[in-house]
Amino acid sequence: NAGVTQTPKFRVLKTGQSMTLLCAQDMNHEYMYWYRQDPGMGLRLIHYSVGEGTTAKGEVPDGYNVSRLKKQNFLLGLESAAPSQTSVYFCASSYSRSRGNTEAFFGQGTRLTVV
Amino acid sequence: SQQGEEDPQALSIQEGENATMNCSYKTSINNLQWYRQNSGRGLVHLILIRSNEREKHSGRLRVTLDTSKKSSSLLITASRAADTASYFCATVQTPGSGGSNYKLTFGKGTLLTVNP
Repeated sequence: NAGVTQTPKFRVLKTGQSMTLLCAQDMNHEYMYWYRQDPGMGLRLIHYSVGEGTTAKGEVPDGYNVSRLKKQNFLLGLESAAPSQTSVYFCASSYSRSRGNTEAFFGQGTRLTVV
Repeated sequence: SQQGEEDPQALSIQEGENATMNCSYKTSINNLQWYRQNSGRGLVHLILIRSNEREKHSGRLRVTLDTSKKSSSLLITASRAADTASYFCATVQTPGSGGSNYKLTFGKGTLLTVNP
């Protein structure tokens, strides 16, 4: 049971390049989240999804797009990377509230540097 | 703006002492959770307390919740060097409170250092 897996673990991009971060979970969770973590800022929610085919904006959505075509995968896209998007990105997943447990499980993170 | 704010930002104690971290939040919640993060790693869930609960225990962890003050505290008793990590509170907002359903938002964290 792998839990939450993020791909890639590290990436260096040039300004203006695009890339997609992949998050995969094997726990059949309904909810999935993308966060970014910057020094002194804690975790800030970028986008989240409450089920297959649905997405919603979080606290800092600008410059990012997401898709949830399959229940187990949540993709985060950067269309035109900027140095301000240099950060560590975390994906998380959880059951729905109706299951009575909203504990989130996290991936190990993707360290992205935009030069 | 972020929902939760931890206090203090950093805490340094000796092994064996107790560590207390506080969290304040802004809107009505369904539940509040505490997570731990070792340097450079993903977050690990520690404990969840629901809005109708006032106190919860798990091993050396004790969490309290005061919904009237919109605050929570995490107490780690008899701390160990291995408890050195960042600790975050996270809230799941109540539907209709101004936040979206089931959005899980985090504070900035408390960096706990336990000296041997």
